Amino acid sequence: EVQLVESGGGFIQPGGSLRLSCAASGFTFSNYWMHWVRQVPGKGLIWVSRISSDSRTVSYADSVKGRFTISRDNAQNTLYLQMNSLTVEDTAVYYCARGPDRRSGNYYVGDCWGQGTLVIVSS
Amino acid sequence: QSALTQPPSASGSPGQSVTISCTGTSSDVGGYNYVSWHQQHPGKAPKLMIFEVTKRPSGVPDRFSGSKSGNTASLTVSGLQGEDEADYYCSSYAGGPWVFGGGTKLTVL
Repeated sequence: EVQLVESGGGFIQPGGSLRLSCAASGFTFSNYWMHWVRQVPGKGLIWVSRISSDSRTVSYADSVKGRFTISRDNAQNTLYLQMNSLTVEDTAVYYCARGPDRRSGNYYVGDCWGQGTLVIVSS
Repeated sequence: QSALTQPPSASGSPGQSVTISCTGTSSDVGGYNYVSWHQQHPGKAPKLMIFEVTKRPSGVPDRFSGSKSGNTASLTVSGLQGEDEADYYCSSYAGGPWVFGGGTKLTVL
């Protein structure tokens, strides 16, 4: 069974840092693109970042560029999101989502999603 | 990276069809055939329903279909069922980043 499990969320003061993790299982993690998507409770989905299967290609939303860093450890089947200089506007549930298999040539954000981890930035 | 434009709400009676639009620009929806649609029930993670404008992942009923014309993509749900009541989000590749729509709440009357 394909499974994604996020962790690392919590309460943090503005200006602080947090690292989110996403543990993948049930598929060959090293073959897939991966994404982070966030959602303020009761609001819409906001795409945050993506990373290629070999980590050579990364992209960010303008709102997080320069503050967030996406990375992955294919040996540990884990995706990361390092979040620095956090602001109250970063408060949201953060989902990791599986992208397409690099061999498929397909393009989409997520055919499998985790349950999300809540980040609250507040003083 | 501006959000794609979706109507906030849509509705239909069981058995009817409903279409949800998603309007972007030539830099996203109009520039690539990489529009996806996600369904999200309250308190649940999103589910991919359509990708690359018209393709359905395995297990998605063929009542769900997608199309695109210019800078506007559409999701059509035919033969509405109660379980289709949910929020629907479009997303599009934008040449590196991706962008989502604001979401449409579909109500089955």
